[in-house]
Amino acid sequence: GNSVTQMEGPVTLSEEAFLTINCTYTATGYPSLFWYVQYPGEGLQLLLKATKADDKGSNKGFEATYRKETTSFHLEKGSVQVSDSAVYFCALNSAGGGNKLTFGTGTQLKVEL
Amino acid sequence: GAVVSQHPSRVICKSGTSVKIECRSLDFQATTMFWYRQFPKQSLMLMATSNEGSKATYEQGVEKDKFLINHASLTLSTLTVTSAHPEDSSFYICSASPRAGTEAFFGQGTRLTVV
Repeated sequence: GNSVTQMEGPVTLSEEAFLTINCTYTATGYPSLFWYVQYPGEGLQLLLKATKADDKGSNKGFEATYRKETTSFHLEKGSVQVSDSAVYFCALNSAGGGNKLTFGTGTQLKVEL
Repeated sequence: GAVVSQHPSRVICKSGTSVKIECRSLDFQATTMFWYRQFPKQSLMLMATSNEGSKATYEQGVEKDKFLINHASLTLSTLTVTSAHPEDSSFYICSASPRAGTEAFFGQGTRLTVV
């Protein structure tokens, strides 16, 4: 079956630090890959996505590249801000799976001044 | 982006009672909505797919008689946790999409605590 593994948090960084949150997956076929973000008190929001191998998703300074050879989709940002503090979820949507998503456990990011 | 509203955001109930959670798509119609559950430090797990005008499709291991889903209109799905027990305490979240295969929009989630 499908599964997503992401690093446990919380991750605590100083403002302007470099961020990496690792995500690896197991899936049949060729899934689409997503990063969702959940700010305190709000619903999950799509941060970025990639639908095929070597695609790079990017948004708000965050990037992730679909690596089929390593089955990974690591999230990176060159310089985090306090406003980036949130929980980040890696997810996949297998081909033909409609809108059903398989999520990782979520990684809490705390950015301090 | 589209908005999905979930209510309530937090609820505390006594063991043996039932709790209803609502999921509304505010600016689009959704023939399909999804209900997820998250245990502490675990993944969001899909519980069921809610289909407007028909029975929900439950994932393996999810008790359909315990988690009643009603999708009576194109903008509203409800999840009722019946005869709640402390082990039902969890974070429940719904999602909906304007069309199959398009981006899923999530509600803000409901933190259920059964005492």
